[in-house]
Amino acid sequence: KNEVEQSPQNLTAQEEEFITINCSYSVGISALHWLQQHPGGGIVSLFMLSSGKKKHGRLIATINIQEKHSSLHITASHPRDSAVYICAVRSIGADGLTFGKGTHLIIQP
Amino acid sequence: DAGVIQSPRHEVTEMGQEVTLRCKPISGHNSLFWYRQTMMRGLELLIYFNNNVPIDDSGMPEDRFSAKMPNASFSTLKIQPSEPRDSAVYFCASSLNNQPQHFGDGTRLSIL
Repeated sequence: KNEVEQSPQNLTAQEEEFITINCSYSVGISALHWLQQHPGGGIVSLFMLSSGKKKHGRLIATINIQEKHSSLHITASHPRDSAVYICAVRSIGADGLTFGKGTHLIIQP
Repeated sequence: DAGVIQSPRHEVTEMGQEVTLRCKPISGHNSLFWYRQTMMRGLELLIYFNNNVPIDDSGMPEDRFSAKMPNASFSTLKIQPSEPRDSAVYFCASSLNNQPQHFGDGTRLSIL
């Protein structure tokens, strides 16, 4: 079974700071997802990637398959970025996701 | 696109009662997933279906839990009898093949 570890568990930063959230996993995967969960509880898929790097607005996700590691970056962070960010992986041969425990991000004005 | 629709949004019931959670996936999606989220364990996969067929139910906690997908537009997750430790938020998600999953808003279940 894939083990997914995220760091940090909690992160508080000031507006405009550059944010990095890390994710590592133990077994080969076919895809890695970054999800965002707001205080209201809804979950939104931010990225799905299996190699390289993807960018959407101020969000950037990278993955290193050899090192079994991914990072989510937020540039020019804003209070509305405050949420729980969850890393999830789809192991090879499976369709369901295995999740990290999430990173609670708070951006203060 | 209405998104994944779950009902009810909230359910409070006494232990021993039967609980049925419902999910309508996005039209055209062929995979459906049931997840459970608790403070202690985070998000966990319970079961998923491909083309209405259960593929992996290894995450279903015990025989009290059952899930069905009678057609492409509807799935249920049933707990009978319910116990306080089943209290959690239950999410349904759907996807088309290996594309990103779309999540419903979840059902917050409290078993007293």
